[in-house]
Amino acid sequence: NAGVTQTPKFQVLKTGQSMTLQCAQDMNHNSMYWYRQDPGMGLRLIYYSASEGTTDKGEVPNGYNVSRLNKREFSLRLESAAPSQTSVYFCASSAIRDVLNYGYTFGSGTRLTVV
Amino acid sequence: LAKTTQPISMDSYEGQEVNITCSHNNIATNDYITWYQQFPSQGPRFIIQGYKTKVTNEVASLFIPADRKSSTLSLPRVSLSDTAVYYCLVALSGAGSYQLTFGKGTKLSVIP
Repeated sequence: NAGVTQTPKFQVLKTGQSMTLQCAQDMNHNSMYWYRQDPGMGLRLIYYSASEGTTDKGEVPNGYNVSRLNKREFSLRLESAAPSQTSVYFCASSAIRDVLNYGYTFGSGTRLTVV
Repeated sequence: LAKTTQPISMDSYEGQEVNITCSHNNIATNDYITWYQQFPSQGPRFIIQGYKTKVTNEVASLFIPADRKSSTLSLPRVSLSDTAVYYCLVALSGAGSYQLTFGKGTKLSVIP
């Protein structure tokens, strides 16, 4: 049981390049989330998907787009990367009914550097 | 979402009980109190969640007074492996998804 899988684990981009961060969960969860974490800071919500077919903006959505491809997969795209997007990106998922007992399940993160 | 305030850092010796207190003065009636643990280079991990009084699981206990304006996470007999950042969150549980807002957390350092 893998839980939440993120790819890639590390990535270096040049300013202006684009890329897609992939996330997949195998727990049949309805909701999925993308967070970013900057050094010494907490996590900030970028986008979330309450259920398959829906996406909504979080606290810091500018410069990002998301796609809920199916129930398992939720991708995050940077169209034109900027140095300010250097961060660690975490994907998470949750089951609505179980969220009180088990909370969110997080992936291990993608460390992105934009030069 | 209610804002939370918790200490930036704490130190403890191995084998001691550690209590981390979080204040959430503007908590709403439907809000739950949730704690997460994050090790370096890993995503946060759910520890415990409660609404009122006391909740205990195999990892920790959560104490919530009657007014619910604060909560205390208690870690019994900590070991070096408990060194991590601990986040206190207040989250509305509803019919749909709910968003978690993470502050800076409390960095716990366990000393041998």
